[in-house]
Amino acid sequence: KQEVTQIPAALSVPEGENLVLNCSFTDSAIYNLQWFRQDPGKGLTSLLLIQSSQREQTSGRLNASLDKSSGRSTLYIAASQPGDSATYLCAVLGSGAGSYQLTFGKGTKLSVIP
Amino acid sequence: GAVVSQHPSWVICKSGTSVKIECRSLDFQATTMFWYRQFPKQSLMLMATSNEGSKATYEQGVEKDKFLINHASLTLSTLTVTSAHPEDSSFYICSARMSQGLQRYGYTFGSGTRLTVV
Repeated sequence: KQEVTQIPAALSVPEGENLVLNCSFTDSAIYNLQWFRQDPGKGLTSLLLIQSSQREQTSGRLNASLDKSSGRSTLYIAASQPGDSATYLCAVLGSGAGSYQLTFGKGTKLSVIP
Repeated sequence: GAVVSQHPSWVICKSGTSVKIECRSLDFQATTMFWYRQFPKQSLMLMATSNEGSKATYEQGVEKDKFLINHASLTLSTLTVTSAHPEDSSFYICSARMSQGLQRYGYTFGSGTRLTVV
């Protein structure tokens, strides 16, 4: 059974800092990995999707990397802003048992202090 | 980009009544949609997989007679919480993926529905 772990559970940084969020998964048989953002009481907004054959994806100040063999992904946020405050969720799409199902981590709650 | 619309965004109902939540894919066809439940400060828990034109597949521990799912068209899935109880109060989120290009396209999520049963 796929398990996804996100570290840290919560993070507080001053505005302008660069930061890294970590995600690890136990089963490397995945199609892709997605990073989402969730604001309080809201749905999920997709930030980046990395195919299993890719190493990284970039969108603006966000960069996500994937090391499938070691079961790790990182989300790098450059020059953080108060508007980045949210919970960030990592999810993997399995290609083995439980195919086509997303397995989520519990998220990292980010607070960017002005 | 792919958009999933979920309604209502919040609902308050009395114990014993039923509530219907709609999930629509606005600009793409979705043969499969997913319903999740999220408890406070927890991640999303998959409840069921909704397949167009066939019965939904429920995860272990989810009562299919309580959480009725209907996927009558390629753009609409509904979740009906029957005989709601306070313990059903939660945040429900749907998601969908494009019918083709599974690996290439990620999942798109609705904005969620906050259900409060009083």
